[in-house]
Amino acid sequence: AQTVTQSQPEMSVQEAETVTLSCTYDTSENNYYLFWYKQPPSRQMILVIRQEAYKQQNATENRFSVNFQKAAKSFSLKISDSQLGDTAMYFCAFMKGSNFGNEKLTFGTGTRLTIIP
Amino acid sequence: GAVVSQHPSWVICKSGTSVKIECRSLDFQATTMFWYRQFPKQSLMLMATSNEGSKATYEQGVEKDKFLINHASLTLSTLTVTSAHPEDSSFYICSARTGVIAGGYYEQYFGPGTRLTVT
Repeated sequence: AQTVTQSQPEMSVQEAETVTLSCTYDTSENNYYLFWYKQPPSRQMILVIRQEAYKQQNATENRFSVNFQKAAKSFSLKISDSQLGDTAMYFCAFMKGSNFGNEKLTFGTGTRLTIIP
Repeated sequence: GAVVSQHPSWVICKSGTSVKIECRSLDFQATTMFWYRQFPKQSLMLMATSNEGSKATYEQGVEKDKFLINHASLTLSTLTVTSAHPEDSSFYICSARTGVIAGGYYEQYFGPGTRLTVT
């Protein structure tokens, strides 16, 4: 079974600063995907970024980027130029690769990020 | 991105009654849908996975006779909480997954959630 660990229950950072959220995972799979989801106070889950395990290049989406260290099974999220709207719960998630679409997401326990004005 | 809706967004029911929550994919066909439960300040816990036209697959520890899931069409899945009790009070989130798209991947979208309060 896969496990996802987020060791930072809460973090806070000043607006415009950079913050890094940590995530480690454990799996014996070779084909998998990793995700960061954001859940703002509205509780709507929003996909922030996705990384395919077979890709060596780290994924980036505007101000969001990841540091994917496959050997270390580490997948951290860096938020640059943080904005007040980034205040949310962030979940790291793992999913096995499959052609059938039934594979489930395994979520970490989350990191509550607060951006301070 | 695609939209997944849930109805109702908030429901209060009395202990012993049943309540149905609908999950719809509005602009795509969802081959697979997922139901999650989330307690305050906690992560999402997968309850079950459903495919259109077949029985749902429940996670260990989830009572299938209590949480009835029906995935009747490619755009609609329902979760019925039968004989609800206060301990069933929670936030329920559905998620819908597309079929395989280019690159061998599929997209998954989440509904806005339903807050259930059982009195």
